[in-house]
Amino acid sequence: DVKVTQSSRYLVKRTGEKVFLECVQDMDHENMFWYRQDPGLGLRLIYFSYDVKMKEKGDIPEGYSVSREKKERFSLILESASTNQTSMYLCASTGGPEAFFGQGTRLTVV
Amino acid sequence: RKEVEQDPGPFNVPEGATVAFNCTYSNSASQSFFWYRQDCRKEPKLLMSVYSSGNEDGRFTAQLNRASQYISLLIRDSKLSDSATYLCVVNYRGAQKLVFGQGTRLTINP
Repeated sequence: DVKVTQSSRYLVKRTGEKVFLECVQDMDHENMFWYRQDPGLGLRLIYFSYDVKMKEKGDIPEGYSVSREKKERFSLILESASTNQTSMYLCASTGGPEAFFGQGTRLTVV
Repeated sequence: RKEVEQDPGPFNVPEGATVAFNCTYSNSASQSFFWYRQDCRKEPKLLMSVYSSGNEDGRFTAQLNRASQYISLLIRDSKLSDSATYLCVVNYRGAQKLVFGQGTRLTINP
């Protein structure tokens, strides 16, 4: 079975902190994605990567950056966390048409 | 206008009923189409792909209308376990970018 693992299920951070969300997949997938999910807004794409060291902005990249130094790992970075970044963050990977998701990280910024 | 739009519901239907969801997409370059299911506090998982000729998987039928740019999902003889949020997903040609609708919440009542 494909496994996509996110480093934390729940995180509480203070405003202004630098936050790292880690995602690892074990199926040698080329493409990896970071989404955030908010009530009434669905999943919105933050960034995606189709190869090591390659990244593309999604629909809402402001306030975020990403890093993909190894194929299996895709990190989302909140440079200076703000309360409007409180959300559920979902990582996904694809090697074909189907996307496999991690279990999600619920981030609260206080 | 959102790239992928769904009626957010909620839909509340009795067990055994037939229920249908629609989803519209704005980009005619869209290549692949899917329905995902998301249970409460869980990650989304693929329910079924949607093919031009229409396809069926047990009680579930998916249809694609490229001319009108919409896809649909029909659930027959609904079960309590069908209660979930159903997400319409579109993959754009030339880019491994999955765009999600905001989801339709379905509750099946005994």
